[in-house]
This record gives sequence, C-alpha cells and structure tokens, in this order.
Amino acid sequence: KQEVTQIPAALSVPEGENLVLNCSFTDSAIYNLQWFRQDPGKGLTSLLLIQSSQREQTSGRLNASLDKSSGRSTLYIAASQPGDSATYLCALSTGGGNKLTFGTGTQLKVEL
Amino acid sequence: GAGVSQSPSNKVTEKGKDVELRCDPISGHTALYWYRQSLGQGLEFLIYFQGNSAPDKSGLPSDRFSAERTGGSVSTLTIQRTQQEDSAVYLCASSLGGSNIQYFGAGTRLSVL
Repeated sequence: KQEVTQIPAALSVPEGENLVLNCSFTDSAIYNLQWFRQDPGKGLTSLLLIQSSQREQTSGRLNASLDKSSGRSTLYIAASQPGDSATYLCALSTGGGNKLTFGTGTQLKVEL
Repeated sequence: GAGVSQSPSNKVTEKGKDVELRCDPISGHTALYWYRQSLGQGLEFLIYFQGNSAPDKSGLPSDRFSAERTGGSVSTLTIQRTQQEDSAVYLCASSLGGSNIQYFGAGTRLSVL
C-alpha cells in the first residue's frame, strides 16, 4: 500500500523567504504526482502536475521536483507572500484511472 | 466556465438517517472522483467513474455507501443509516480523462449528530 508523508506538518515563515516542502512516498511505481493547495473551507486547487517521466515542473514562483528512485518530491516556493498561506498537499497516481493517494499535508503560514 | 459544483455545501443530519450528496462535474469531463477528508484519516479516495461506469469503488468504506452517475455527468453519493464516523468533508473532482489534472469542488461538509 502506498504511504505518502509530508514534512513538516506545519511551517511559519516571514514574508519574502524561500521555502521547501517535502513529500515522500513508499512505492516508486507512480504515473504522476500533483501538488495542491487547500484554503480553509474550500476545495483543492491544482498547482503543478509532474508526469512519472519528468523531473520537474515550474509555474511562476513554484517549482516542483520528482525523484522516483528515492521516493521524494519537493515543492519550492520562492519569495513567499502572505497569500501563499494555505495547506499544501501532494498526491500520487499509482494505477489506472488516476485515483489519487494524498499526503498528510503541510500547513503553511507566511507572516508579514 | 463553471467549475465542479457540489451541493449542499453543508449538511447536518441525525444518526441513522440517509443522505444524498450531489456533484456536477465540469462539462465534458468523462472522469469523476469522490474523496473524503476527515480529521483522523486525511484525504481518502472513495470511488472513480469513467462515464457512467465505476471501474474502481475500492475506497467505499462499507455497504452503506453507494454512488451513481447518470448521463455521464451528475453524480450522487448516498450514505444510508449515517453514523457519527461518517462526519467529514466529501470532495468531488473531475478530469478530462483518467490521466489528467483533477479539478475539485468546494466539498460538502457532513455532520452526523
């Protein structure tokens, strides 16, 4: 069974800081990996999707990397802003149909 | 265009009652997913539809849970004889196919008293 862990569980940083969120998984046979953000009382917003054949994806201030052999993905956020405050979830697809197995989440707070 | 729509946004029910949760996917999306988010268990997969068929319902926690999808569009998740442990946020997502980005609705928060 796929186990997905995110470290740290919570993180508080001052505005402007660069930061890295970590996601580790036990089964390297994945189809793709997605990073989501979740705001309180709202659904999930997809940030980046990395196919299993890719090493990284970038969107604006966000960069996600994937290392299947070590079972790790990182989400790098550059020049963090208060609007980045949310819970960040990584999710893996390991089979047909693309059902997702979610990580435990990192709750990020960016302070002024 | 409209995103994934779920109704109701909040539902409070008494233990033992049946509830129906509705999901309207993005138009044209053939794949539809139900997930559950609870404090103790995180976010868990429940069931996946491709068109009107459910090739994977492995995440449904018990036979009190069922779901259907009609016309390749709207889906309903039914929970019979609700229990307090069913309290959670039920999230629906849709995608163009089985291997693309999933777009999530805002969820239905279910509280069983």
